[in-house]
Amino acid sequence: TQLLEQSPQFLSIQEGENLTVYCNSSSVFSSLQWYRQEPGEGPVLLVTVVTGGEVKKLKRLTFQFGDARKDSSLHITAAQPGDTGLYLCSGSEKLVFGKGTKLTVNP
Amino acid sequence: NAGVTQTPKFRVLKTGQSMTLLCAQDMNHEYMYWYRQDPGMGLRLIHYSVGEGTTAKGEVPDGYNVSRLKKQNFLLGLESAAPSQTSVYFCASSYSYRDTGELFFGEGSRLTVL
Repeated sequence: TQLLEQSPQFLSIQEGENLTVYCNSSSVFSSLQWYRQEPGEGPVLLVTVVTGGEVKKLKRLTFQFGDARKDSSLHITAAQPGDTGLYLCSGSEKLVFGKGTKLTVNP
Repeated sequence: NAGVTQTPKFRVLKTGQSMTLLCAQDMNHEYMYWYRQDPGMGLRLIHYSVGEGTTAKGEVPDGYNVSRLKKQNFLLGLESAAPSQTSVYFCASSYSYRDTGELFFGEGSRLTVL
């Protein structure tokens, strides 16, 4: 079974701070996706990373796929209250999801 | 622009009762999925379908049945509900399966089994 471990599980920060959350596995993935889920809604795709070492930017969010395609990170610069939500990573094979990082950005 | 629609959005059942959750997508996607989401457990795959008339088991299939009689619909059934099935259920669909296919989710169905 391919497992995805996300850390930290919870993160509470002040507006304007930077943060990094992680998604790690012992398995290799051909691609990895990050989703954000807000309360009462389904997850929404943020990005898909495919190539080892790949870096993708989405405004203040920077996603990196590890060289060995076993791990990924999400860095948020100058976090805003609108970034609050549950961040989930997902590996394409077996449609596996991590347990998520619940981020709270306080004004 | 409906996307993925789940009905009902809320339901309370007594132990032993049966019910069906309906998922409908209007994007002509081949692939559809049912997940459950519990606190601290993330999303776990119950069953999925790679096309009309086909279904397959996911990570946590016990106690659930599914059917995909029409391409746009994916039904999740509970024949005899148990308190352990209290959860939020999400349906999703995708155009592709094994590579970079994006999952489109519904808004969820919150089920409570007393």
